[in-house]
Parts: sequence; C-alpha cells; structure tokens
Amino acid sequence: DAKTTQPTSMDCAEGRAANLPCNHSTISGNEYVYWYRQIHSQGPQYIIHGLKNNETNEMASLIITEDRKSSTLILPHATLRDTAVYYCIVRVAPGGGADGLTFGKGTHLIIQP
Amino acid sequence: NAGVTQTPKFRILKIGQSMTLQCTQDMNHNYMYWYRQDPGMGLKLIYYSVGAGITDKGEVPNGYNVSRSTTEDFPLRLELAAPSQTSVYFCASSYSETQYFGPGTRLLVL
Repeated sequence: DAKTTQPTSMDCAEGRAANLPCNHSTISGNEYVYWYRQIHSQGPQYIIHGLKNNETNEMASLIITEDRKSSTLILPHATLRDTAVYYCIVRVAPGGGADGLTFGKGTHLIIQP
Repeated sequence: NAGVTQTPKFRILKIGQSMTLQCTQDMNHNYMYWYRQDPGMGLKLIYYSVGAGITDKGEVPNGYNVSRSTTEDFPLRLELAAPSQTSVYFCASSYSETQYFGPGTRLLVL
C-alpha cells in the first residue's frame, strides 16, 4: 500500500499558485518524496523529487517539513493545462532506479478559468 | 527521440484469447516496467526488468508474462484473457530515479 495520504480533489484559479499537500508520517530516513502527475488518459509524468531540502525546477517547487512527515507541491502559476491527478510517492531512490513506483489515488487538481 | 512507445493503443479481446502488448524505448534505459491502471485507481506494477535477460514480478503479475531479449523492447503477454484484465496498461523506462511513461494501451476483455 502507498505510504502517503493526499486529498481526493482540489480546485485552484488559473494564474494562482496551486499548493498540493501530502502526508507521509511513516517515511524512513532513506526515503525520498516524489511527485508525478497524470493528465487525462496519458501516462504519468515526473515532476520533482526531494529528500529533506526544498527543491525547485522549471515545473514546480517541493517544500518538505523539517520532520519530513509532510510535504507540499507548489505550482507557482497554475494554467488550465495543469489540470491532472497528482501523485505523491515515497520510495528509496537507489541509483539504478530498479524499483517500481507505488501509486495511491492521488489528488485531482482542477484549474478553474 | 520518440521516448517510450506502446502498441496497440486500444484492443478488444474475447475471454480466453491471447495477445502481446508491445513496448519500445529508444533512450537506452536499462530499467523497464509494466503497470496497469483500473478506473479511478493508481497504477499497479505488473513486472519489471533491470536489463536484457532479467525480469521480475511486481505487485500483480498473475495472468501475465514478460520477456526482455533486447534493451529496447519489453513485451507483455496475456495468455488467457479474463474480464479482470480490462484495464489501461502503461509501460515505463528509467535509467535512474525518474521513470518515463508511454501513452498506454487500453484493453477491453469481453
């Protein structure tokens, strides 16, 4: 079973920041937090991942609490194309990427015009 | 680069029929995966491979078989299709922590 808890759905206005929370209270010291998203009917797309420091890339920012029991994915200026299901996944990140991903039900983010 | 490609996009099978879902990647990734996604649910891992000639079971392998004779190809075989195998099937590949997914194959078993 997935080790994360996410809200089922969220709304956000276009142009505003979308903040998606994730609880992972049983995370181990060597486990990373990953975020993927799945736009309707497409394959999942990698967004970002982190261990304990905040991370930012061209798509999003990831804020991880100091105790690492929760995190927030931030889409700084949401557009209609960001409407998707967002998955928060916790896993050990071996260098070889041999393990599969464990997906929960994710958060359905709906961007409103 | 085409990335990860899957064929067919959609298929209807009768109960008991067999078929092979094709997956090819052109990124020279060692790691490849097959997932299935049922309506309203997250993806579940069926099989994975860490390189040519090496495969291993995931969470839901029953009713499926795989082979990995080349780095590029990772076909998924259904021998005796059952209605419970109606799903969307995604193939993915990886060289490190990030997995790249194909567009999926939608399978309906009637």
